[in-house]
Amino acid sequence: DAKTTQPPSMDCAEGRAANLPCNHSTISGNEYVYWYRQIHSQGPQYIIHGLKNNETNEMASLIITEDRKSSTLILPHATLRDTAVYYCIVRSWGRSWGKLQFGAGTQVVVTP
Amino acid sequence: DAGITQSPRHKVTETGTPVTLRCHQTENHRYMYWYRQDPGHGLRLIHYSYGVKDTDKGEVSDGYSVSRSKTEDFLLTLESATSSQTSVYFCAISEDTQGAYEQYFGPGTRLTVT
Repeated sequence: DAKTTQPPSMDCAEGRAANLPCNHSTISGNEYVYWYRQIHSQGPQYIIHGLKNNETNEMASLIITEDRKSSTLILPHATLRDTAVYYCIVRSWGRSWGKLQFGAGTQVVVTP
Repeated sequence: DAGITQSPRHKVTETGTPVTLRCHQTENHRYMYWYRQDPGHGLRLIHYSYGVKDTDKGEVSDGYSVSRSKTEDFLLTLESATSSQTSVYFCAISEDTQGAYEQYFGPGTRLTVT
């Protein structure tokens, strides 16, 4: 699975959009981009995934560049409860088993 | 939230004793996983299951065994607990959603081996 690079930390003001970048320049054609987050002392939480089209759900939007070498997770209106470590993961489509390769992630702190 | 529970949520045990952690799901998902999370190591896969009585090893399986006799339950057993197995243990489940197999995690079990 391709490696990802994320900034170690970022701050965001409550109510503003949080834009979290992820670089995955070695991604291959059959690999999805997944985003998870982990709030302190809780289990990781699935947020969203995509292959090449932009995706949106009730939690966030995922923007993938046309060359698929990078992506951005957008939390449209950050709240204090969005403070967490956010992980960008690239994983092969159809891979039903095996670990999710969690890197160091981005520590997002939402401030009042 | 996915219907995943783990029990116990916290446990303190002594070195050399056997310990069993339980993961229970109400989603009828085929795949189940056990991870451990330690500072500096992130999440590491211990064992996983791809169906009832079908299990396989992950990257850190030594000292652990698993069993899955029903779709909804996945048990993790530490045969003889050691201090190096002090960790937070997470169970996860997944199902085929058009090839994505996104995983949903339980709340975790904090295990301390003294």
